[in-house]
Amino acid sequence: EAGVAQSPRYKIIEKRQSVAFWCNPISGHATLYWYQQILGQGPKLLIQFQNNGVVDDSQLPKDRFSAERLKGVDSTLKIQPAKLEDSAVYLCASSLESESYTFGSGTRLTVV
Amino acid sequence: GNSVTQMEGPVTLSEEAFLTINCTYTATGYPSLFWYVQYPGEGLQLLLKATKADDKGSNKGFEATYRKETTSFHLEKGSVQVSDSAVYFCASRYTGFQKLVFGTGTRLLVSP
Repeated sequence: EAGVAQSPRYKIIEKRQSVAFWCNPISGHATLYWYQQILGQGPKLLIQFQNNGVVDDSQLPKDRFSAERLKGVDSTLKIQPAKLEDSAVYLCASSLESESYTFGSGTRLTVV
Repeated sequence: GNSVTQMEGPVTLSEEAFLTINCTYTATGYPSLFWYVQYPGEGLQLLLKATKADDKGSNKGFEATYRKETTSFHLEKGSVQVSDSAVYFCASRYTGFQKLVFGTGTRLLVSP
């Protein structure tokens, strides 16, 4: 089966600019996750969707980060405006059952 | 709270050496435990898992045993290869919560 697709792979922006990441989960996977992985740290959950509803966004910096999952399939994560500390790899994952995560390759964001 | 602590790296070994990467979790309830591996430029891949006490997860020569008495899930391999060079993440997931909580990762470097 096809994996979790993410784009772009790399993005470099200046601080205060906006950026968007896209994720296409595995077909049929109801749950979609966005994780932030800062260099030297483990991934941290930003937001979790069940179909097109938000299950957990407790660690999402809502003043600058937003995410949506239209029609319960693809998802976009947006940062506006970006800060230097947002430099990280943004990982998308999906699951059919909670034990079976599949991660995408991630988008590496550099804010300068 | 829910947290995972793993040994800091990098761990540097010669080929065919024995590997241990330590991981402990907080003892609130009985989580499922996981080891993920991240090869350079790639996304996270599930290496092995264990869902209850005394379970042993194994894959590709790697093993980890769920030890409730020491709240540990140490990763071991009897003979490492150069191709095992990667970052290894320990993670937990508590029943009723789908999100994974990761440790900070341990980089393994294996030289010929």
